[in-house]
Amino acid sequence: DVKVTQSSRYLVKRTGEKVFLECVQDMDHENMFWYRQDPGLGLRLIYFSYDVKMKEKGDIPEGYSVSREKKERFSLILESASTNQTSMYLCASSLPGPQHFGDGTRLSIL
Amino acid sequence: EDQVTQSPEALRLQEGESSSLNCSYTVSGLRGLFWYRQDPGKGPEFLFTLYSAGEEKEKERLKATLTKKESFLHITAPKPEDSATYLCAVARYSGGGADGLTFGKGTHLIIQP
Repeated sequence: DVKVTQSSRYLVKRTGEKVFLECVQDMDHENMFWYRQDPGLGLRLIYFSYDVKMKEKGDIPEGYSVSREKKERFSLILESASTNQTSMYLCASSLPGPQHFGDGTRLSIL
Repeated sequence: EDQVTQSPEALRLQEGESSSLNCSYTVSGLRGLFWYRQDPGKGPEFLFTLYSAGEEKEKERLKATLTKKESFLHITAPKPEDSATYLCAVARYSGGGADGLTFGKGTHLIIQP
């Protein structure tokens, strides 16, 4: 079974802080993705990566960046956290085909 | 712009009462339609992929079907453990061989004993 692990289940940070969310997958998948999930808005794609050091913007990249230095690890970075970035963040990985998700990080920005 | 609309938003059924969830989509160049199940506090769990109109997939009490404009998730004789939010998503080519997903807002299904 595919395992996608997100380093924190819950995280509380302050506005203006630089925040790192980490994701690791154990299935040698090429593609990795970051989504956020908000009530009434559903899941929305922030960034994705199709290879080490390669990244592409998704639908809502503003205020975020990503890093993929190793194939199994994909990091989401909030450069200067703001309260409107309070959300559930979900990481996923795939070969070409279905994406497999981690259990999410619930991030609160105070 | 890709759009995915799921209906109903919420559905309450009695145990054993069969029903269907709807997913309507508009996408330029469908590269797959996906169904996921999400339990509270968990990430989405993959159920099915459908690629072309007329395709059907089954797993236990669930059956997914696809037409050119919509997909249905049929639930036959559901049990309380089928209670969850069911998400529909369409894949679009996004770059480098990766397909970003556009999700609907989900159907919250409750099965009462």
